[in-house]
Amino acid sequence: GAVVSQHPSWVICKSGTSVKIECRSLDFQATTMFWYRQFPKQSLMLMATSNEGSKATYEQGVEKDKFLINHASLTLSTLTVTSAHPEDSSFYICSARSGQGSYNEQFFGPGTRLTVL
Amino acid sequence: EDQVTQSPEALRLQEGESSSLNCSYTVSGLRGLFWYRQDPGKGPEFLFTLYSAGEEKEKERLKATLTKKESFLHITAPKPEDSATYLCAVWRGKLIFGQGTELSVKP
Repeated sequence: GAVVSQHPSWVICKSGTSVKIECRSLDFQATTMFWYRQFPKQSLMLMATSNEGSKATYEQGVEKDKFLINHASLTLSTLTVTSAHPEDSSFYICSARSGQGSYNEQFFGPGTRLTVL
Repeated sequence: EDQVTQSPEALRLQEGESSSLNCSYTVSGLRGLFWYRQDPGKGPEFLFTLYSAGEEKEKERLKATLTKKESFLHITAPKPEDSATYLCAVWRGKLIFGQGTELSVKP
């Protein structure tokens, strides 16, 4: 299957700082990338969908000024958590699709564990 | 409203004890049902995509089937390394996930 990488795999930061997480599709071009958040023992919660070269579409209740998403190329999307607070601590996972039709499989990265002190 | 429900929430098996996980869905016009495996602290790993009722796919000890209302993930003679959370999702312009089934296989 296709490979999606994330960097860093874990990060600890102080409250009030910003953190950037990178998501890369290594062996295919991702026209669409997704960012999820997952709390312990819960399923994935979609935060936003981004298409290369256009603005991200955020799910209801997700603060777009808090979670900045940039999909600058067909292989790279970034999520920046601005002015992070302890409640932003979570497991963030990105995923990527090579097309927009329903017949395109979606592959996930390994996740980034964010801890805000 | 599109909904995906997985059962059971947790399943404990002995090694070699075959069983099935259920994923029932209510969507208008299914455009793909996906199964993923997720290990603790990792991202979901793609297993199968099913598109039409009657379709079946297999991979090692896993077999996924699809009807018009539900999908089953059959695990034949499971091993401890099959322990994980199994997620199913339907595609509706985005993946809508069920809550997952946490499978534990004891030696």
